[in-house]
Amino acid sequence: AQTVTQSQPEMSVQEAETVTLSCTYDTSESDYYLFWYKQPPSRQMILVIRQEAYKQQNATENRFSVNFQKAAKSFSLKISDSQLGDAAMYFCAYRRGALSSGTYKYIFGTGTRLKVLA
Amino acid sequence: DVKVTQSSRYLVKRTGEKVFLECVQDMDHENMFWYRQDPGLGLRLIYFSYDVKMKEKGDIPEGYSVSREKKERFSLILESASTNQTSMYLCASPPTGDSTYEQYFGPGTRLTVT
Repeated sequence: AQTVTQSQPEMSVQEAETVTLSCTYDTSESDYYLFWYKQPPSRQMILVIRQEAYKQQNATENRFSVNFQKAAKSFSLKISDSQLGDAAMYFCAYRRGALSSGTYKYIFGTGTRLKVLA
Repeated sequence: DVKVTQSSRYLVKRTGEKVFLECVQDMDHENMFWYRQDPGLGLRLIYFSYDVKMKEKGDIPEGYSVSREKKERFSLILESASTNQTSMYLCASPPTGDSTYEQYFGPGTRLTVT
C-alpha cells in the first residue's frame, strides 16, 4: 500500500526567507501524481502545486517550487520569499492509479504546520 | 465560483444521535469523497462514491455510512455518534477520469460529539 510521510510536524521561517518542507512516499507504481495542498486557518484546502511522475522537470508556481526525486521517492516543497499569508498547514498528497471503478484515490501525509515570523 | 459546499461549518451533537453531514458540488463530477482530518493523522478517507448510488469504503469506514441519491449530493451519516467521532470532516470532489486536475474541497465541518 502506498504511504506518504511528512516528518516535520512544524516549521518556522522568517518573513522573506526560504523554507523547504519535506515529503517522502512509498509506492510500487511508476505513473502517479503528487500534490502539495495548503490549509490556512480558514480551513479551505487550496492546491499549491502538482507534479506528474513521468515529468523529470520540477514543477514551479511563482514562489513555490518542488524538488522531485523519483528514485528517492522524495517530493519537497520550497517556498521562496515567505510571506505572512503563507502561514498554514501544508499537506503532501499522492494520487494512486485507477481503481476498478475508474476512481483515483488520494493518500495524504500528516501535514506540516508552517509559521511565518514577522 | 463556489464548487463544493458543506451544510455546516460547526456542529455539536450528543452521543447516540444520528448525524447527517451534507456535501454538494456544482461541477457535475461523478466522484465525491469524505475525509476525516485529525491532528497528527492528516486526512483519512472514510467513503467515496463514483456514481449515483455507487459507493466504496475507504480506509476508516467503521461507524459511518453514506448516501448518494443525486449526482451533486453526497451525505455522510453517523448512525449513532460517539465522542471518538469528534473531528473535522472534509468533502472533496475530483474530476472524472485520468486528469491532472486536483480535487476540490469543501470548507469542512467541525463536528463535536459530547
